[in-house]
Amino acid sequence: DFQMTQSPSSLSASVGDTVTITCRASQGISNLVAWYQQKPGKVPKVLIYAVSTLQSGVPSRFSGSGSGRDFTLTISSLQPEDVATYYCQSYNSVPWTFGPGTRVEIK
Amino acid sequence: QVQLVQSGAEVKKPGASVKVSCKAFGYSFTSYYMHWVRQAPGQGLEWMGTINTSDGETRYVEKVQGRVAMTRDTSTTTLYMELSDLRSDDTAVYFCARGGWLELWPFEYWGQGTLVTVSS
Repeated sequence: DFQMTQSPSSLSASVGDTVTITCRASQGISNLVAWYQQKPGKVPKVLIYAVSTLQSGVPSRFSGSGSGRDFTLTISSLQPEDVATYYCQSYNSVPWTFGPGTRVEIK
Repeated sequence: QVQLVQSGAEVKKPGASVKVSCKAFGYSFTSYYMHWVRQAPGQGLEWMGTINTSDGETRYVEKVQGRVAMTRDTSTTTLYMELSDLRSDDTAVYFCARGGWLELWPFEYWGQGTLVTVSS
């Protein structure tokens, strides 16, 4: 079965740090990868789609990159409001598949 | 503006069925694919399936195939997700989400979620 894995599962960083979250697909996929942010008790919000395209209204400190099997979400200059769980998603074929999530906290 | 408004929380017994609705506002309903995603308590997001709101064609994840039915009513711009033979591990918040006018598109808009609790 196709899977998306994420690392780390959680991290704690200081305000202003650069944070990197990695997602790996179980097989090579196209560039149809998105990243979502879900704050506690809230609905998921798309941050990045097509690997590196920033969704309208999302701060430019969020960026995405990658190809093949490995994809990355980077938060440059972490802010207190970035505390959330982040999910990668492959949407290039059925089933659309989410990674297990990475919880980001402030140190 | 685009809004997806879901029906309220449900409590069901094992073996029963549940039908969750999602009413769409603020855009051309039949121009966008719609999806259902669920999230068990404290767990991650699980895609359940998608429906082409134009022709009603559906595609489901294998895990719920045979127990799920996604339908739409274009006259009321409402989406439905019915899950039958409920089990305790179906306890989750169920979200509807709007995809794109192309099938392969991420989920830009989400409903507020509907908690379905399966308990005897």
